[in-house]
Amino acid sequence: KAGVTQTPRYLIKTRGQQVTLSCSPISGHRSVSWYQQTPGQGLQFLFEYFSETQRNKGNFPGRFSGRQFSNSRSEMNVSTLELGDSALYLCASSLTGLEGQPQHFGDGTRLSIL
Amino acid sequence: SQQGEEDPQALSIQEGENATMNCSYKTSINNLQWYRQNSGRGLVHLILIRSNEREKHSGRLRVTLDTSKKSSSLLITASRAADTASYFCATKSIIQGAQKLVFGQGTRLTINP
Repeated sequence: KAGVTQTPRYLIKTRGQQVTLSCSPISGHRSVSWYQQTPGQGLQFLFEYFSETQRNKGNFPGRFSGRQFSNSRSEMNVSTLELGDSALYLCASSLTGLEGQPQHFGDGTRLSIL
Repeated sequence: SQQGEEDPQALSIQEGENATMNCSYKTSINNLQWYRQNSGRGLVHLILIRSNEREKHSGRLRVTLDTSKKSSSLLITASRAADTASYFCATKSIIQGAQKLVFGQGTRLTINP
């Protein structure tokens, strides 16, 4: 069974631009969560999608948005990029996102803002 | 602030020795999970321990949970160079109405050959 796939692996953007990151979960998994990882703040929860609906949301500004498609694939969009958005963005999937289910992570997208 | 906090932040030991990492959390939990992250990669789920369990084993891993002290420990026995990674504990929390998995800052483990 293929793991969680994130594309692209690396991305370089400049301030003010926007970016879209993609995540394909493990087949059969319907819950997809996104995390931002930085050296200073660690791993921070962005949002979770389940059955094409945002079910939970972290404490990030509205510039960060996402969506999930009927095949459970998910995209994350960041608009008006800032230098502080440079981070590793991780996507994780689980069967239904219920507590106690392990999250399966992709290898992330490394976003650098110049 | 983070729900889970690992201690120590960094640990360097010789191959073959045991490595112990600790995690403290703030609120009541139903379970606690441990994850490993190799440099530049995603996190890998290692083990989950439920609140009614005190100890759990998986291969060379041993996890303990003390809900009265709100703490957990991860022991890796007979360490190998391949165990070099960062280790995170994670708990489910409801913060501002959102249910989310909250990770600690992690322990960076280095196994010296």
